[in-house]
Order: sequence, then structure tokens, then C-alpha cells
Amino acid sequence: DVKVTQSSRYLVKRTGEKVFLECVQDMDHENMFWYRQDPGLGLRLIYFSYDVKMKEKGDIPEGYSVSREKKERFSLILESASTNQTSMYLCASSLGGLAGVAGELFFGEGSRLTVL
Amino acid sequence: GNSVTQMEGPVTLSEEAFLTINCTYTATGYPSLFWYVQYPGEGLQLLLKATKADDKGSNKGFEATYRKETTSFHLEKGSVQVSDSAVYFCALSDRSARDDKIIFGKGTRLHILP
Repeated sequence: DVKVTQSSRYLVKRTGEKVFLECVQDMDHENMFWYRQDPGLGLRLIYFSYDVKMKEKGDIPEGYSVSREKKERFSLILESASTNQTSMYLCASSLGGLAGVAGELFFGEGSRLTVL
Repeated sequence: GNSVTQMEGPVTLSEEAFLTINCTYTATGYPSLFWYVQYPGEGLQLLLKATKADDKGSNKGFEATYRKETTSFHLEKGSVQVSDSAVYFCALSDRSARDDKIIFGKGTRLHILP
């Protein structure tokens, strides 16, 4: 089974702190994604990557950056956390093409970040 | 641009009731359509999919038919169980579009009462 592992399930940070969210997948997928999930807004794409060292902005990249130094690992970075970045963050991966094989994304369990 | 609209929740049903969650889409090309499910405390997982008009996707007793004439992909189940309580997301991907990212609806929370 494909496994997407997010390093932290719950984090509490203070305004202005630098935050790293790590994601690792074990199925050699080319594509990796970071979403945030908020009540009433659904899933919004922050950044995605379809190859090592490649990154593309999603719909809401402001305040975030990403790093993909190895194929299996995709990191989301909040350079200076703010309270409006309190959210659930979901990492996903897929095989081939931007939408994967017939669009199947494999998700991690999520990282719930609270910024005080 | 492409978009997905699904019925707002929460939807509350009794066990063994019939379920319909409506989903309509707008797409400029020829999208593939999906339903994802998110159980409490977990990430999303693919429930079913359909890649062309009139296809029916099915899994775990759930079904959805790709209706091009009504641009719909409604999720149905004949007899729901408490374990079906989750958030359901309708989604599309359009490989003919310049940018074929997956687009998700806002999700519909389903509560099943025993």
C-alpha cells in the first residue's frame, strides 16, 4: 500500500516562528502536493511539485515556501507563522501526470497547526 | 474555469437510509470525476471514479454515474451505516486543460445516526 507520512499530527507555534512540515511517500511517486483544509473552504492547493527540485505555485502560495531535495520528501515551510495560517495541512502524492493515474491522489493523515 | 459544486452539509441520516450527495461540475474539456472520503482523524482517500460520460464508479456500496448532459456526478448509497460517517469530496481533473490540477468541492459532512 502507498503510504504518505506527515511528520507531525499536531503542532502549536507562536506568531513569527519558522515552521517546517515534512512529508514522505514510499511509492516513488513523481508528484507531491500540499493543501490546506479549512471549514467551509474545502481543500486549497498551496504548492505542488512534479519532480525533484521542481515546484509550482498553487492557488494560495503566499506566506509559504516548499522544498523537494529528494523524490520521496516534500517539505512545506512557513517562514514567519501568522494566526491566519492556523489550519489542517494535508500532503498528497500521485504517480505520473499532474493528476496522477486517472487522478488518484494518496493523502497523509494531516498536520493540524495552531499558531498563537 | 473548471469548478465543482457539491451540496452543503451537514447531512444527517438514520442508519439504513438512502443517501444522495449532489455534485455538479463545470469543465471546458473532458474531465475525469472522483469522490474522495475523509474519515475522522484521517486524510482523504479515493472512494470511486469515472473517466468518461455514462461511466459508473462504485465502491463499498457507493455509486456515482458520470452524466455529461446534466454535468453531474451524484453520490448514492442504498443503505448507509454508522461507519459511513465522514466528509465526502467531489473532484475533477481535466487532462485537456492547460493546467490539469485536481479541483475539489468544499466537502459534505455526513452523520449517520444508529
